Amino acid sequence: AQSVTQPDIHITVSEGASLELRCNYSYGATPYLFWYVQSPGQGLQLLLKYFSGDTLVQGIKGFEAEFKRSQSSFNLRKPSVHWSDAAEYFCAVGGSGGYNKLIFGAGTRLAVHP
Amino acid sequence: EAEVAQSPRYKITEKSQAVAFWCDPISGHATLYWYRQILGQGPELLVQFQDESVVDDSQLPKDRFSAERLKGVDSTLKIQPAELGDSAMYLCASSIRQGSSYEQYFGPGTRLTVT
Repeated sequence: AQSVTQPDIHITVSEGASLELRCNYSYGATPYLFWYVQSPGQGLQLLLKYFSGDTLVQGIKGFEAEFKRSQSSFNLRKPSVHWSDAAEYFCAVGGSGGYNKLIFGAGTRLAVHP
Repeated sequence: EAEVAQSPRYKITEKSQAVAFWCDPISGHATLYWYRQILGQGPELLVQFQDESVVDDSQLPKDRFSAERLKGVDSTLKIQPAELGDSAMYLCASSIRQGSSYEQYFGPGTRLTVT
């Protein structure tokens, strides 16, 4: 079955520290992978996506993610966190083809200490 | 910048009452999605439209939920009767066409509380 696991429900980091949010997926075909961010009271915003090619993808707001097929992982990273990065982060998987819905993980809530 | 509009932003209703949510996608986007996001969980697709046709409603509780997109533009999601377990955020999203390779743009959501 298709699924996405985000093992960390909450993460707290200090401003300026590095960040890594974990995502593991289960998908029977070639996956398309996404990271979204949701600020309180807001909809989801796409941070970055991976379809094929270079396994290290760059996104908006200084985020990057690395696709590791052997580990079925797509972890999100940022070298230096800003207070404005406090939000909830969702990993999602979809498939190639004309129609494939997105399957979302349960999310990781990030808190940033000054 | 074009955005997905949703209304109302918040709705409180009593169980057994009817409730409706409205979504206006980005102009020109053929595909429209309704998601339900229960607190502490990720969004789950309820229904997907391609123009005015339903493409996927496999997770829509059809005994109480209905969705329409009559002219292939804006859409309404209705719940009748509402149950306590329906309390959640209802998100609308749109994309220029269907397929995972096309970015989905999300609206701000409608937070429903059923008492």
